[in-house]
Amino acid sequence: GEDVEQSLFLSVREGDSSVINCTYTDSSSTYLYWYKQEPGAGLQLLTYIFSNMDMKQDQRLTVLLNKKDKHLSLRIADTQTGDSAIYFCAERLVDSNYQLIWGAGTKLIIKP
Amino acid sequence: DVKVTQSSRYLVKRTGEKVFLECVQDMDHENMFWYRQDPGLGLRLIYFSYDVKMKEKGDIPEGYSVSREKKERFSLILESASTNQTSMYLCASSPPGIWGQPQHFGDGTRLSIL
Repeated sequence: GEDVEQSLFLSVREGDSSVINCTYTDSSSTYLYWYKQEPGAGLQLLTYIFSNMDMKQDQRLTVLLNKKDKHLSLRIADTQTGDSAIYFCAERLVDSNYQLIWGAGTKLIIKP
Repeated sequence: DVKVTQSSRYLVKRTGEKVFLECVQDMDHENMFWYRQDPGLGLRLIYFSYDVKMKEKGDIPEGYSVSREKKERFSLILESASTNQTSMYLCASSPPGIWGQPQHFGDGTRLSIL
């Protein structure tokens, strides 16, 4: 069945770039999403990309999509302590108008 | 601005109680969702609704039911709460989704069943 995989943890130094990776199995994905969850809070949409795009940039965030390898990444430039959170990727399949397939989330840890 | 409001941030209930979790959105969205979130498991869909009085089971509907009498409100009901339903519950809403419009989430309800 469909699956989305992420590493559970990523540790980076403050000021460095963070790259959070996500792989998915279903090639019929239409949209792919990145959400951020701060401790004790709900999920906040960061960005999303249509599957016919390779890249999307929004200020410090860059999303790269390699459709051939079914690989999605989120790069955060100049990582700050406020970026410490859990980051979820999710995909929406072509035959679904509603449901998303979610990764387990990557906890980003910032070292001073 | 998009707003999804869950009625409680924290809730403590006893085993066997009937528990209601309420969610309200002010964006006139057709779709509403209930998820539970457990460490290392990501988000798992319990139920979703694509219109008033319409509902569909998600991946883990056992032990839960839902109600959508008005477009803006989606309720999750634990018929007889059990300790394995201790979790973070997240409500979300979205437009019909033809153009990939994302889901918007509430702040979550952390439910403890004793």
